[in-house]
Amino acid sequence: SQTIHQWPATLVQPVGSPLSLECTVEGTSNPNLYWYRQAAGRGLQLLFYSVGIGQISSEVPQNLSASRPQDRQFILSSKKLLLSDSGFYLCAWSGGQGDGYTFGSGTRLTVV
Amino acid sequence: AQSVTQLDSHVSVSEGTPVLLRCNYSSSYSPSLFWYVQHPNKGLQLLLKYTSAATLVKGINGFEAEFKKSETSFHLTKPSAHMSDAAEYFCVVSDQSGGYNKLIFGAGTRLAVHP
Repeated sequence: SQTIHQWPATLVQPVGSPLSLECTVEGTSNPNLYWYRQAAGRGLQLLFYSVGIGQISSEVPQNLSASRPQDRQFILSSKKLLLSDSGFYLCAWSGGQGDGYTFGSGTRLTVV
Repeated sequence: AQSVTQLDSHVSVSEGTPVLLRCNYSSSYSPSLFWYVQHPNKGLQLLLKYTSAATLVKGINGFEAEFKKSETSFHLTKPSAHMSDAAEYFCVVSDQSGGYNKLIFGAGTRLAVHP
């Protein structure tokens, strides 16, 4: 069966520090991968999606970047965090068109 | 473009009473629709999905939703609320116009269940 792993679960980082959040999927090949952010009291905002290795598309301009070095690995990064980067970050994967997403358990990032 | 509107940001019910969470969608073609649930500080869990088969879709934990094309609605219901149902619920539509499987999320409805 397919599983998705996301870590760490919580993270407190100072302003200006780097960020690396990792997401891996098991039990499937060539998944579509996604990074979402959920700010306090708000809905989900799609940050990045990837349909294959090295293929990254960004939905909104921001201080973050994403990479997909392997088929089932998706990394969210920042060189210098801002206070506004605080939020709950969710990784997800999907198969074909019309499929729902399977979400990871999320990372609560607090930038102080 | 695809979109969903969740008509209530907050819903409060008593334990044992019915639950109704309302969702209207906008789609230029036959949509795929989903309901997700999110408990505090957790990821999202798929409750049910509609993909042009039966219009009444049964999901996990006793939830179900009915696709009504004439009303462009996909409301989520449960006959009897349980305390553990307290969570945030998202109505979602699939947008396939961009060449990839993109889900469009509603703003969410927070369900409170009182004893």
